[in-house]
Parts: sequence; C-alpha cells; structure tokens
Amino acid sequence: AQSVTQLGSHVSVSEGALVLLRCNYSSSVPPYLFWYVQYPNQGLQLLLKYTSAATLVKGINGFEAEFKKSETSFHLTKPSAHMSDAAEYFCAVSISLGYSTLTFGKGTMLLVSP
Amino acid sequence: EAGVTQFPSHSVIEKGQTVTLRCDPISGHDNLYWYRRVMGKEIKFLLHFVKESKQDESGMPNNRFLAERTGGTYSTLKVQPAELEDSGVYFCASSQDGLFYEQYFGPGTRLTVT
Repeated sequence: AQSVTQLGSHVSVSEGALVLLRCNYSSSVPPYLFWYVQYPNQGLQLLLKYTSAATLVKGINGFEAEFKKSETSFHLTKPSAHMSDAAEYFCAVSISLGYSTLTFGKGTMLLVSP
Repeated sequence: EAGVTQFPSHSVIEKGQTVTLRCDPISGHDNLYWYRRVMGKEIKFLLHFVKESKQDESGMPNNRFLAERTGGTYSTLKVQPAELEDSGVYFCASSQDGLFYEQYFGPGTRLTVT
C-alpha cells in the first residue's frame, strides 16, 4: 500500500522567494511520484513526474523536484515565486505510470504575496 | 484537443435525492478514473474503467454509488440516495492505454448535499 504526507496545508511566500513544498511517501514497491497543481476552477494539471530515470526532475513553470530514496521524499521547489504560482499543489504516488490509481496527499495551498 | 470535461460543475441537492455526475474523457482514452475529495481530506480513488469494464472499484464507498461507462466513452456516477457525507468534489481523469501514459484530470464536480 502507498501513502503520501504533505507537510503544511498552507505555505506563504513572497514574490521572488524560494518555494519549497514538502512531500514524503511510503510505498512497498519502487514508486512513481507526481506533483499536480490545481488553479481555481480548473482541473489538476501535472507539473512533473518521477519515473526512476533521473532523481532530479524538471517540470513546467520552472518547478523541479528531487527524489530522495533514503529520505522517502519528493519535495517540490522553485527558485523564485511568481504571483501566478498561487494554487493548490498535490503530491501523489502510484505503482505504475499507467493502469494504476493515484494515491494523493492532502494538498498544500501556496499563497504568494507581493 | 479537448480535455476531460465534467458536468455539472456544481450540484446542490437535499439528502435522500439522487444525483448523476457525468464525465467525458479525452477522445481515445481507454482508461477512465473517478476520484473524490471530501473537504479537508485528500483526493481518494473511487474506481477505474478500462473501456466499458470496471477494472477496479475498490474505492467505492458503498452501494449507493453506481458508475457506468456506456460504450467505453463517457461515464456517469450516480449517487442514490445522497447522504450528507457524500458532499465533496468529484474528479474524473482519463489516460491512454499502456503503462507510460499519465492521467489527465477534469475540473471536477462540486457536490453539496444539504
């Protein structure tokens, strides 16, 4: 069975500051890991995914995440926050890329102030 | 290419009534998933169709929920009779057949049972 823990239901940063959203996972098999973002009134959009090819994964909009097996973590970062990054972010795990259901964390709302 | 669409976007019903949610996946996607997010909780898997067949319905909460996928195209999720705890956002996702295709999500249907 898989599980995901996202630390912090809300994270506040200033525009231009580093964004760090934390995700820890538990999986009995080598996991596939995902970060999704949900903007208001929109569906979940895939930011990036870890598929065991490389531990540092680059996604859209300047986000990246690093898979650390020893820490069972997959934290999401962005060097400089933009106002448009304000949204809810979800970390998810599955045992395969296709055919497999996603197990989500509770989500982290990112607030960006001017 | 049109994305995953869901109808209605919002639904408010009274306890004991029936509601039917609809999902239209991306054309050609054989896999269709339903997820639900109850307020304050994580997004949870409900069930998975491959074409018109239910591949996995282990997440369905109880027999008040009935999902169908007519001809392997759109899907409906009926809740009958609705209870207060059914309130939440219902997401639909679809993916192509195969192990390496990600899930694309719709905007969700917000269901409120009063």
